Amino acid sequence: DGGITQSPKYLFRKEGQNVTLSCEQNLNHDAMYWYRQDPGQGLRLIYYSQIVNDFQKGDIAEGYSVSREKKESFPLTVTSAQKNPTAFYLCASSIVGTGYEAFFGQGTRLTVV
Amino acid sequence: DAKTTQPNSMESNEEEPVHLPCNHSTISGTDYIHWYRQLPSQGPEYVIHGLTSNVNNRMASLAIAEDRKSSTLILHRATLRDAAVYYCGTSYGKLTFGQGTILTVHP
Repeated sequence: DGGITQSPKYLFRKEGQNVTLSCEQNLNHDAMYWYRQDPGQGLRLIYYSQIVNDFQKGDIAEGYSVSREKKESFPLTVTSAQKNPTAFYLCASSIVGTGYEAFFGQGTRLTVV
Repeated sequence: DAKTTQPNSMESNEEEPVHLPCNHSTISGTDYIHWYRQLPSQGPEYVIHGLTSNVNNRMASLAIAEDRKSSTLILHRATLRDAAVYYCGTSYGKLTFGQGTILTVHP
């Protein structure tokens, strides 16, 4: 089955710890995205990448880091510098270009205590 | 970046048409307009997208204003399964979204 997989579905971490969220796709898409979702705030773009070994900051990149060493993978690290890390995180991928639909994963709910 | 705004919520009755508006007043000429919908605790799913002309697919229709500063997603006959949060977004290299409209469908 082709698709985009995020793991784990639920993640708990203690405050002050870095945590990495996984996102893998087998759709052969060049573009990948990370979004954060909070109640009533929609989808806010954290980082995006259009090609391996290159990525750009989105609207709320502070406290987050990413890597794109492989086309299929775009992991997101939530660092201890992120002030309010508890949220629902969504990964997406698409063909590069503006006229293509994006495919989303099922999300990871991160809770920091 | 195009700033996108949507109403917080809308309501409809089953089997009636629904028109979901979106404003993207700073959209550039090369930005596509996208619509996605999301059920609770799931990832968003694609609904429709377009550039300048109105678009139709099996799920919905997209009406784009002539100046492209607004668009409307049209669900021709709402069903209970259409109850979701609908996101309007624009893309040029990156895909960004508005805050979403919660659609409630009454039986």
